[in-house]
Amino acid sequence: QKEVEQNSGPLSVPEGAIASLNCTYSDRVSQSFFWYRQYSGKSPELIMSIYSNGDKEDGRFTAQLNKASQYVSLLIRDSQPSDSATYLCAGPDRGSTLGRLYFGRGTQLTVWP
Amino acid sequence: DAGVTQSPTHLIKTRGQQVTLRCSPKSGHDTVSWYQQALGQGPQFIFQYYEEEERQRGNFPDRFSGHQFPNYSSELNVNALLLGDSALYLCASSFIRTGGYNEQFFGPGTRLTVL
Repeated sequence: QKEVEQNSGPLSVPEGAIASLNCTYSDRVSQSFFWYRQYSGKSPELIMSIYSNGDKEDGRFTAQLNKASQYVSLLIRDSQPSDSATYLCAGPDRGSTLGRLYFGRGTQLTVWP
Repeated sequence: DAGVTQSPTHLIKTRGQQVTLRCSPKSGHDTVSWYQQALGQGPQFIFQYYEEEERQRGNFPDRFSGHQFPNYSSELNVNALLLGDSALYLCASSFIRTGGYNEQFFGPGTRLTVL
């Protein structure tokens, strides 16, 4: 099993809808997570960090972490065409004190007007 | 407040050549990590530098080497380039805090093409 799996996608939603992105992770991953957004041809941009079980909200974004299920998700409410990008989830190596990250392969989101 | 910077932006090399990529971390950050991102994939960890030493290394051959300078900037060197080394090379900086949870911020990347 890969350390972080991100199998869903590509995802296409209409403007104003809720986009739901998710990842699962293995025991090798420490239980804090990061969501990055990557526009085509650009580098990843950190948009959400979540360190504890439950939900964390930031504007239109809500990250959810379920440690028992080893599952993390990102909800984007009121999706906008500008949200169209690839979303990467990443978790730190459990054995690394300096935070080496394992990334999923990304989910490509398209929000159409 | 300057973010993470990388140079050059793009690079074209031929097989067998050597390349050096450079990174300056975000102000206040002391740790630099390097990742390789192939098209359609997530970033893959190459190695990480802290206090001028390589602290952790991913599954990359010895052709990949690096260095961190006293001002925390870093270089990534790749020798004997192969076609498969063509990728986006990303530098990420972070600040080591006790207890972990070190958010990593990426630079714009260097697009390397090997012909």
